[in-house]
Amino acid sequence: ILNVEQSPQSLHVQEGDSTNFTCSFPSSNFYALHWYRWETAKSPEALFVMTLNGDEKKKGRISATLNTKEGYSYLYIKGSQPEDSATYLCASFYGNNRLAFGKGNQVVVIP
Amino acid sequence: GAVVSQHPSRVICKSGTSVKIECRSLDFQATTMFWYRQFPKQSLMLMATSNEGSKATYEQGVEKDKFLINHASLTLSTLTVTSAHPEDSSFYICSASTASGTYNEQFFGPGTRLTVL
Repeated sequence: ILNVEQSPQSLHVQEGDSTNFTCSFPSSNFYALHWYRWETAKSPEALFVMTLNGDEKKKGRISATLNTKEGYSYLYIKGSQPEDSATYLCASFYGNNRLAFGKGNQVVVIP
Repeated sequence: GAVVSQHPSRVICKSGTSVKIECRSLDFQATTMFWYRQFPKQSLMLMATSNEGSKATYEQGVEKDKFLINHASLTLSTLTVTSAHPEDSSFYICSASTASGTYNEQFFGPGTRLTVL
């Protein structure tokens, strides 16, 4: 199974501030990277699927970049709002449609 | 669209009993369904992959006789934890995909918290 790591594990952000966090994954035999947003008591919601080195994707105030050569992806939240409070999961695809997940970045936005 | 439900959301059972968890794709046909388990402060760990009408493929270290998976239709998969013990207490979550063999998006259910006394 792939070793996917996310850092920091948790962070508190003041409302209005921007923040970012990291997902690192094995760069060899890379296929795709998924980002999910997971609110408590709800289903994880897909944010992005990224496949190409240098990919940048954006959804509202959230964006992500991908570096497959060095094996990392950044997720950015611009102008954090309380509704951005959630755990952000990244997962690397590793064949037969399977995903290996990191432990998540738990974000708390303080009003 | 792409909604996956899971039932029950929470279950408490006595040691030695069996528990069944259902995962349904509500508005699409799921060619492939996945079952994950998450222990506190750990990542989601894939337990098994199931394709409709086929036997499930279990990940290394997951006992197939203990965790019975049935994917009888394109909208329903079930996970039965047989003869549950306290160490099986965990958060179980399913996901569903509309295609196999490619890195397609997985749509997740909300999960089931299992507590075995």
